[in-house]
Amino acid sequence: GNSVTQMEGPVTLSEEAFLTINCTYTATGYPSLFWYVQYPGEGLQLLLKATKADDKGSNKGFEATYRKETTSFHLEKGSVQVSDSAVYFCALSEIWSGYSTLTFGKGTMLLVSP
Amino acid sequence: GAVVSQHPSWVICKSGTSVKIECRSLDFQATTMFWYRQFPKQSLMLMATSNEGSKATYEQGVEKDKFLINHASLTLSTLTVTSAHPEDSSFYICSARQGIGGSGVYNEQFFGPGTRLTVL
Repeated sequence: GNSVTQMEGPVTLSEEAFLTINCTYTATGYPSLFWYVQYPGEGLQLLLKATKADDKGSNKGFEATYRKETTSFHLEKGSVQVSDSAVYFCALSEIWSGYSTLTFGKGTMLLVSP
Repeated sequence: GAVVSQHPSWVICKSGTSVKIECRSLDFQATTMFWYRQFPKQSLMLMATSNEGSKATYEQGVEKDKFLINHASLTLSTLTVTSAHPEDSSFYICSARQGIGGSGVYNEQFFGPGTRLTVL
């Protein structure tokens, strides 16, 4: 079956530090890959996505590259802000006839201090 | 983006009682809604998928008689935890999608803020 493994948190950084959150996946087919973010008290929001190998998803300064050879989709940001503090979920979806469902990693909490 | 709400945001109930959680899409029509369960420091686990006007499709290991799902309109789905027990305590999250998907198509899911259920 499909699975997503992401690094455990919390990840604690100072403002303007470089961020990497590792994510690897196992899938039987050719999945699309996603990063979702959950701010305190809010629902999950789609942060970025990539639908095929070597695609790079980017949004709000975050980016991740779909690496088929290493089955990875690591999230990076060059300079984090306090407002980036949230829980980040890596997820995959295999598209097949009918509908698509999401498989999530366990989530990684990011704490950014001033 | 589209907004999905859940009500209540948290609920405490006695063992043996039933609890209903509502999920609403506020500014779009949700053909499909999903219910997830999240344990502390764990992934979101998909419980069931429901299409408006149809019976829900439950994931393996989820008791359909215990977790009743109704998706009677394009903007509302409900999850009823029947005869709740302490092991049902969890964080329940819904999501909604406009399209029904189809081969090669991913339609974004919009997530609600979640409902914390505590069964005493």
